[in-house]
Amino acid sequence: KAGVTQTPRYLIKTRGQQVTLSCSPISGHRSVSWYQQTPGQGLQFLFEYFSETQRNKGNFPGRFSGRQFSNSRSEMNVSTLELGDSALYLCASSLVSGGLTDTQYFGPGTRLTVL
Amino acid sequence: GQQLNQSPQSMFIQEGEDVSMNCTSSSIFNTWLWYKQDPGEGPVLLIALYKAGELTSNGRLTAQFGITRKDSFLNISASIPSDVGIYFCAGRHCTFGVYTGANSKLTFGKGITLSVRP
Repeated sequence: KAGVTQTPRYLIKTRGQQVTLSCSPISGHRSVSWYQQTPGQGLQFLFEYFSETQRNKGNFPGRFSGRQFSNSRSEMNVSTLELGDSALYLCASSLVSGGLTDTQYFGPGTRLTVL
Repeated sequence: GQQLNQSPQSMFIQEGEDVSMNCTSSSIFNTWLWYKQDPGEGPVLLIALYKAGELTSNGRLTAQFGITRKDSFLNISASIPSDVGIYFCAGRHCTFGVYTGANSKLTFGKGITLSVRP
């Protein structure tokens, strides 16, 4: 079974631009969560989507948004990029949202560099 | 945001040695997970724990879900060079909303970088 895939793997943008990252979950998984990883803050939860609905949201500004499609694929968008948005963005998929024995599996991440 | 406490930041051990890592929190979690991350890759799940007191093994790895639900430990026995990497603990809350059903998010520790000397 194929794992979580994320595209692109690497991205370089300049301040003020916007960016869209894509995540395809493991086949059959319906929940997708997004995390930001930086050396200073570690792994921080951005948001979770299940059945095309945002189920949970972390403490990030409104410039960070996401969506999920009917095939469970998800995208996240960051508008008006700032230097501090440079990070590894990780997507994780799980079968359902909040199932007692449900487990999240991570993709390889998208490395975003903002210049 | 809230994070789990993992220390020290780095550990250096000799190949063949055992190593233990601890993870603590001021909050209760329903699930504890241990992940390993190699440079340039996403975290890979090592062990998942779902019940307080649960002790689970995966090869040379053993992890336990603390009785208080506020801590967990991971033990690696007979370390080998490929054990090098960053080890993260993660705790999961499950909250239930009247209209939205169950949802969950993972809270991570800052990770411990393990180095293994041959």
